[in-house]
Amino acid sequence: NAGVTQTPKFQVLKTGQSMTLQCAQDMNHNSMYWYRQDPGMGLRLIYYSASEGTTDKGEVPNGYNVSRLNKREFSLRLESAAPSQTSVYFCASSERAGGYNSPLHFGNGTRLTVT
Amino acid sequence: AQSVTQPDIHITVSEGASLELRCNYSYGATPYLFWYVQSPGQGLQLLLKYFSGDTLVQGIKGFEAEFKRSQSSFNLRKPSVHWSDAAEYFCAVGALKYSGAGSYQLTFGKGTKLSVIP
Repeated sequence: NAGVTQTPKFQVLKTGQSMTLQCAQDMNHNSMYWYRQDPGMGLRLIYYSASEGTTDKGEVPNGYNVSRLNKREFSLRLESAAPSQTSVYFCASSERAGGYNSPLHFGNGTRLTVT
Repeated sequence: AQSVTQPDIHITVSEGASLELRCNYSYGATPYLFWYVQSPGQGLQLLLKYFSGDTLVQGIKGFEAEFKRSQSSFNLRKPSVHWSDAAEYFCAVGALKYSGAGSYQLTFGKGTKLSVIP
């Protein structure tokens, strides 16, 4: 049982380049999330998708776009990467958006460096 | 808006010693409260959760947490730490941003890194 799978695991970009981070879950969860983790900042929500066909901004959405491709997949796109986007990105999923009985299940992260 | 404070950035304990990690939250109503653990190079794993009922909740790996409404706290404890508990621990509060589907928001604290001395 793979759970939440993120690709790639590592990526180095030059300023201005674009890339898409991929995320897929095999738990038939309705909701999916993208977080970034920076030292001393904890996890901050970038975007989330409460259900297939919907997306909404989180705490730090600027510079990112997302696509909920289907129920399984939720991608994060950086159109023009900036050094401030150097971070570890985590995808997560939950059975539904919110609620005590819908804890998040996390992938292992993508470590992105923008030079 | 809800917020979470973990006052201790880094804690070091000896193996076999007891552990308490502090978490304070701010939210106007009764929140959902969670503790997650992150091992190096890994994603976060749920340790335990609380919404209502008994204020002392048990989790995996021998951890427990106590909700104290009067102190707005949800501290994580373990009676005897093992070397494998070395990791970063995150407290999180979940609350409704607004009514309706998709309105739930989970806010994380900045984390407490636990080191264990053999």
